[in-house]
Amino acid sequence: NAGVTQTPKFQVLKTGQSMTLQCAQDMNHNSMYWYRQDPGMGLRLIYYSASEGTTDKGEVPNGYNVSRLNKREFSLRLESAAPSQTSVYFCASRQWSSYGYTFGSGTRLTVV
Amino acid sequence: EDKVVQSPLSLVVHEGDTVTLNCSYEVTNFRSLLWYKQEKKAPTFLFMLTSSGIEKKSGRLSSILDKKELFSILNITATQTGDSAIYLCAVVKGETSGSRLTFGEGTQLTVNP
Repeated sequence: NAGVTQTPKFQVLKTGQSMTLQCAQDMNHNSMYWYRQDPGMGLRLIYYSASEGTTDKGEVPNGYNVSRLNKREFSLRLESAAPSQTSVYFCASRQWSSYGYTFGSGTRLTVV
Repeated sequence: EDKVVQSPLSLVVHEGDTVTLNCSYEVTNFRSLLWYKQEKKAPTFLFMLTSSGIEKKSGRLSSILDKKELFSILNITATQTGDSAIYLCAVVKGETSGSRLTFGEGTQLTVNP
């Protein structure tokens, strides 16, 4: 099915470990986004990529890096995981001609 | 600083009740306001509102935007247990290519049989 695919769905990390969350979309969308969702705080923007080759910081970028590998793929890297990064992470994409966003099914990350 | 505030944060009702969820915002370079429903996983799109005073409807759900007073409401009539979810309000800001969403905290709606 067309849409936004995130991997992995679940992950447990130890403090200080690194990992990369993968996101791919097959809708030929221009813009891609990474959000985190914590209880009582809605979704907060970590980084976004308005188009292939560009990335920009969102509200909460500290502790994260991103790579827009090509038009389809946008990865989020935690270099040294901290318990404060325990959250559910959502990737989303959007076509410039529309304000409608399509979300992936999320990655539940726990840092112990 | 941009803000999107939803109220109430949680709400418990009985099947058949009507609910009104609120969303107020203070955002620079406003483009539109979106409502999402989130059950177990990803948010799913409900409405996009760009113009004031024009009601959007889908079945038992409806929503309207007031750009003068900077708020939106989402109404659900004759609620059902399947309406139990988190309802998220988000505001689109920025230029077309670089636009991004700012979300409110969400309203947790529980509909009891």
